[in-house]
This record gives sequence, structure tokens and C-alpha cells, in this order.
Amino acid sequence: KQEVTQIPAALSVPEGENLVLNCSFTDSAIYNLQWFRQDPGKGLTSLLLIQSSQREQTSGRLNASLDKSSGRSTLYIAASQPGDSATYLCAVRPSGGSNYKLTFGKGTLLTVNP
Amino acid sequence: DADVTQTPRNRITKTGKRIMLECSQTKGHDRMYWYRQDPGLGLQLIYYSFDVKDINKGEISDGYSVSRQAQAKFSLSLESAIPNQTALYFCATSDPREGAETQYFGPGTRLLVL
Repeated sequence: KQEVTQIPAALSVPEGENLVLNCSFTDSAIYNLQWFRQDPGKGLTSLLLIQSSQREQTSGRLNASLDKSSGRSTLYIAASQPGDSATYLCAVRPSGGSNYKLTFGKGTLLTVNP
Repeated sequence: DADVTQTPRNRITKTGKRIMLECSQTKGHDRMYWYRQDPGLGLQLIYYSFDVKDINKGEISDGYSVSRQAQAKFSLSLESAIPNQTALYFCATSDPREGAETQYFGPGTRLLVL
């Protein structure tokens, strides 16, 4: 059974700092990995999706990397801003038959202080 | 306007009551999902539907039922609510014709069962 772990569970940083969120998964047979942002009352928003054949994806100040063989992904946020404060979730989609099903981590609660 | 909407956004009910949560989408996607999120836990899949005539149980379907009234509508029912069904419920949609098949989430329904 796939298990997804996110470390740290919570992180508080001053504005402007670069930071890294970590995600690990136990089964390397994945189709893709996705990072979501969750804001209170607004559901989940997809930030970046990395296919299993890719090593990284970038969008603005966000960069996500994937090392499938070691079961790890990182989300790098450059020059953090208070508006980045949210919970960040990673989710993996398996390769093979049941590849509609996402397995989520518990998330990292990020607070960026002005 | 939001592509995936959920009603109600918040609901308080009593043990034993029947309650229905509704999800509507304007994305034209065939695939729809219901998840629940408990504090400090990842999202868990309750039910999913690949089209109007195809409904399947997810990881934690006991105590829940669903109805896919149309391509755009997918409802989740709690036939006799119990306190441990207190959670945040999300609806999501996806389109397998999109290569990566990102799931798009609604804003969530916060349910409290007393």
C-alpha cells in the first residue's frame, strides 16, 4: 500500500526566505506526483505536476523535483511571501490499473511572517 | 465562476439524521470523486464515478452512498450521520483525455455531526 509522508508538518519562516518542503512515498511505481495548495474555505489548487519520466517542473517562484527511485519529491519556494501561507499537499498517482486514485500526504502548514 | 461547486459549504446536523452533500461542475468532465479530510490526515477517497452509469466504492465507503444524477452532478449522502463523520468533504473532477489528468477540487463542505 502506498504511503506518502510530508516533512515538516508545519513551518514558519520570515518573508523573503527560500524554503523547501519534502514529500516521500513508499512505492516508486507512480504515474505522476502532484503538489497542491490548500487555503481555508477554498479547496485544493494544483500547483505543479511532475510525470514519472520528469525530474522537475517550475512555475514562477515554485520548483518541484522528483527522484522516483528514492521515493522523494521536494517543493522549493523562492523568496517567500505572506501570500504563500497555506497548507501544501503532495499526492501520488500510481502507475497501472487503479491509476485514477491519488494517495495524499497529510500536508505541511506553511506560515510566512511579514 | 468556479468550475466545481459544492453545497452546502457548512452544515451542522445531529446523529441519525440523513444528509446530502451536492457537487456540480461545469468542466464537462466525466470523472467525479468524493473525498473526506480529517484534521491532520490526508484526503481519503469515499466514492468515484467514471460516468453516469459507473459508480465505485473508494477506501472508506461504509456509511455513505452516492448518486450521479447527470454528468455534471454527483451527490454524497450520509444515510444516518454519526459523529465520526465530522470532516471536511471535497468533490473533484478529472478528464482522462487530459494527459496528466489533474484532479480539480471544489471548495469543500465542512460537516459537523453532533
